[in-house]
Amino acid sequence: KNQVEQSPQSLIILEGKNCTLQCNYTVSPFSNLRWYKQDTGRGPVSLTIMTFSENTKSNGRYTATLDADTKQSSLHITASQLSDSASYICVVRGRGSTLGRLYFGRGTQLTVWP
Amino acid sequence: GAGVSQSPRYKVAKRGQDVALRCDPISGHVSLFWYQQALGQGPEFLTYFQNEAQLDKSGLPSDRFFAERPEGSVSTLKIQRTQQEDSAVYLCASSLVRAGNWYQETQYFGPGTRLLVL
Repeated sequence: KNQVEQSPQSLIILEGKNCTLQCNYTVSPFSNLRWYKQDTGRGPVSLTIMTFSENTKSNGRYTATLDADTKQSSLHITASQLSDSASYICVVRGRGSTLGRLYFGRGTQLTVWP
Repeated sequence: GAGVSQSPRYKVAKRGQDVALRCDPISGHVSLFWYQQALGQGPEFLTYFQNEAQLDKSGLPSDRFFAERPEGSVSTLKIQRTQQEDSAVYLCASSLVRAGNWYQETQYFGPGTRLLVL
C-alpha cells in the first residue's frame, strides 16, 4: 500500500504556462514533506521542505502548499521553462518508529514543450 | 568530489550472478541510505546507516541483499544470485545529521546505478 499518492501521473504543458502537481499522503505520524525534482538519469534533488505548521513555501518559481489536516500538498510551477521537464516526487517523512525512513510518491512526469 | 558518487553507473548481470554496487557519500556525512527505484516508480527505502552501524534494514527485499559500511564512509550494496526482478536503479543518499535532528535534514542523492538482470 503506497502511503503517498501523486497526480497526475504525467503532464505536458507549453513553455511559459503554469501548472500544479498534487500529493496526498496517509503517513502518520507525520514529520515533514518535501518535493524533489528528478532529472532523467539523475538522483532526486530537494526543492522544498514543509512541516505541519507551514502552509506555503516558495523557492523561486516553485511554490509548495501543505494542508496537514487533509494530508494534501501541491507544487505550483510558475512560468514553466524547458528545464523544468523532469519527474517531481513528493516525499513524506514519518516520525517515531519510522525515524530515518522516507516515503516516496511515484512522481509526476512533467514535460514542457517549446 | 562535491556530491554523492556511485559506481558503476550501469551494470548488466546474468541471472544468478552476484553484483556489488558502491556508494561514496559526501565527506563528513553521517547518515547513508540505499533506495531501489523501479522503472516509473518512486524510490523505495532499502536500508540506512548511521556511521558504520546499520540501524534499519527492514526494506531489504530478501536475504540476497546485503549492505555494509565498515568504516562509516563508503558503502557497498551486494546482491547475490540476482533475479530479473532485481532490475532497477539503485540510489544512494547521504545526509549530514544524525537521527534526532531530522527536521532540517536533507538527503543528497547520487546519480544511481542502473542494474539490468538478463
